[in-house]
Amino acid sequence: DTAVSQTPKYLVTQMGNDKSIKCEQNLGHDTMYWYKQDSKKFLKIMFSYNNKELIINETVPNRFSPKSPDKAHLNLHINSLELGDSAVYFCASSQTISGNTIYFGEGSWLTVV
Amino acid sequence: GQQVMQIPQYQHVQEGEDFTTYCNSSTTLSNIQWYKQRPGGHPVFLIQLVKSGEVKKQKRLTFQFGEAKKNSSLHITATQTTDVGTYFCAGTTDSWGKLQFGAGTQVVVTP
Repeated sequence: DTAVSQTPKYLVTQMGNDKSIKCEQNLGHDTMYWYKQDSKKFLKIMFSYNNKELIINETVPNRFSPKSPDKAHLNLHINSLELGDSAVYFCASSQTISGNTIYFGEGSWLTVV
Repeated sequence: GQQVMQIPQYQHVQEGEDFTTYCNSSTTLSNIQWYKQRPGGHPVFLIQLVKSGEVKKQKRLTFQFGEAKKNSSLHITATQTTDVGTYFCAGTTDSWGKLQFGAGTQVVVTP
């Protein structure tokens, strides 16, 4: 009964490739997020969607494009991967955007070689 | 810039000792949350504090919210190897509209 599930868990790919990470939540939450965690463990918010609408778009290169087909899904597509994109990407959800508890997926470990 | 500051960034603790990690904001927070991330895992919600001066306990963990609602602390007594991980505080204000995470405290426990 995984509340927030994301795939794939591990991804090794070459520079310049395009890849996608999928995320689904079965909690009935309105808000979904993508976070990036680097090797120093900083958790940086990338995007947030509320009921399929983009509401937070931090300073992320436009090679990163989120897509939310419905409020239970938030996918992340990355074009022209660079070495610096190597990180753990966490999908997450919360009831609403306003400071509610955030439920994280298990993470997708992306390694760009 | 980072709106929620967390110290220390790293903490090495001998098993059985106590330690505290601190979270500070220059802005009055609506609430503060604490999360724990085990090595190789994902952040998991521990607790939320809302009231000024609030203190909550979970077994060996004591969470405190400052009177001015600008700082918080997590104190762990008699540290065990299961306490290993990174502890994040996260705060929000009405104007921020989103949860701001601190940089985390990475805790290593030596048996």
